[in-house]
Amino acid sequence: NAGVTQTPKFQVLKTGQSMTLQCAQDMNHNSMYWYRQDPGMGLRLIYYSASEGTTDKGEVPNGYNVSRLNKREFSLRLESAAPSQTSVYFCASSEPGRGLNQPQHFGDGTRLSIL
Amino acid sequence: AQKITQTQPGMFVQEKEAVTLDCTYDTSDPSYGLFWYKQPSSGEMIFLIYQGSYDQQNATEGRYSLNFQKARKSANLVISASQLGDSAMYFCAMREVRSGAGSYQLTFGKGTKLSVIP
Repeated sequence: NAGVTQTPKFQVLKTGQSMTLQCAQDMNHNSMYWYRQDPGMGLRLIYYSASEGTTDKGEVPNGYNVSRLNKREFSLRLESAAPSQTSVYFCASSEPGRGLNQPQHFGDGTRLSIL
Repeated sequence: AQKITQTQPGMFVQEKEAVTLDCTYDTSDPSYGLFWYKQPSSGEMIFLIYQGSYDQQNATEGRYSLNFQKARKSANLVISASQLGDSAMYFCAMREVRSGAGSYQLTFGKGTKLSVIP
């Protein structure tokens, strides 16, 4: 009954450090997504992967890289963390092939603070 | 221009009363879907209800219903018989069909914080 699992749940970094956020889903979904949530801004798409082997930029990709390791896993990397990247990060997955009405399923989020 | 607009940053409702959370959207795509998510203080995103652009009837899921007015491009969430556990942030989101990649991205509004008063 895991759904979408994100690790870690909390992290504090210093400016300039690197970090990889991990995401795994067990629902056999083709599409996976990374969002960031900032106060008063809703969720904004960073990167997405329509299917294994493909990745594309979303609305706010600068400062991030992603890897779709396999169908289950989609990681987000901050190469050189900046205070502006302090945020809550959500991973999500969906199966668009099953229809337009399929919701995205979200992980519980990673709270990242950069000092 | 914003694709999803939620004009109410915060709302209060008395327990057991009904409440409507507003959402307007902007798209030129004839095929799209509208979703509502709930985010309690614990932080997780919970899918509530979906409305497709070609659906003839308003969507309902238990105490949640969607007042879909296509010509006005609005998709308001109605919560009937509010409960204390309904206190949360509520996000409206739109999925547009994007050609090529075959991926369905969601664009979110900024959310409405609902507080249910005992």
